Amino acid sequence: DAKTTQPPSMDCAEGRAANLPCNHSTISGNEYVYWYRQIHSQGPQYIIHGLKNNETNEMASLIITEDRKSSTLILPHATLRDTAVYYCIVRVSNNDMRFGAGTRLTVKP
Amino acid sequence: DTAVSQTPKYLVTQMGNDKSIKCEQNLGHDTMYWYKQDSKKFLKIMFSYNNKELIINETVPNRFSPKSPDKAHLNLHINSLELGDSAVYFCASSPSSGGVAEQFFGPGTRLTVL
Repeated sequence: DAKTTQPPSMDCAEGRAANLPCNHSTISGNEYVYWYRQIHSQGPQYIIHGLKNNETNEMASLIITEDRKSSTLILPHATLRDTAVYYCIVRVSNNDMRFGAGTRLTVKP
Repeated sequence: DTAVSQTPKYLVTQMGNDKSIKCEQNLGHDTMYWYKQDSKKFLKIMFSYNNKELIINETVPNRFSPKSPDKAHLNLHINSLELGDSAVYFCASSPSSGGVAEQFFGPGTRLTVL
């Protein structure tokens, strides 16, 4: 199973874009990149997932490099409520999600 | 409407007791899961379950057992509770097993074993 590497913490100014990187250099061809976040004391929340192409939804954009060895989650206009731990997960299916340490994003006013 | 709900939200009990945590989802999903988040905040899957198959993480002690009375419910029974069982337990569901759809998580149950 591909492992992921994320910075332990990041800060972002309110209203600015938050760009959260994830390295997954051992990803295999059939593994998806998932992003979840966990706001303090709440259950994890799905954000977005992708295989090869960049993806966008109402919450965020996911940019996957052409070689698929890394990706970036973009929150286009971060708010204070986006302060959370963000998890990048690489899996073949949703059956066995393995959460790492994630990136603690702090959005500051 | 709450998609995935858990009861109780907090559970404090003595070592050696047997307890259950209930989980219900109203999303019509086929697959449900239990996760454990320990004091270091690492989230680990314990079980995934659908109508046909129970997949158990090999690190889960057999004191833990999921029980599903129907497709909308997956309860977690814990026998002979130990201090190390103290954690936050999350239930989740997804439309199918082995697919790529996202999982929906409940609010968690904080278990404290004294």
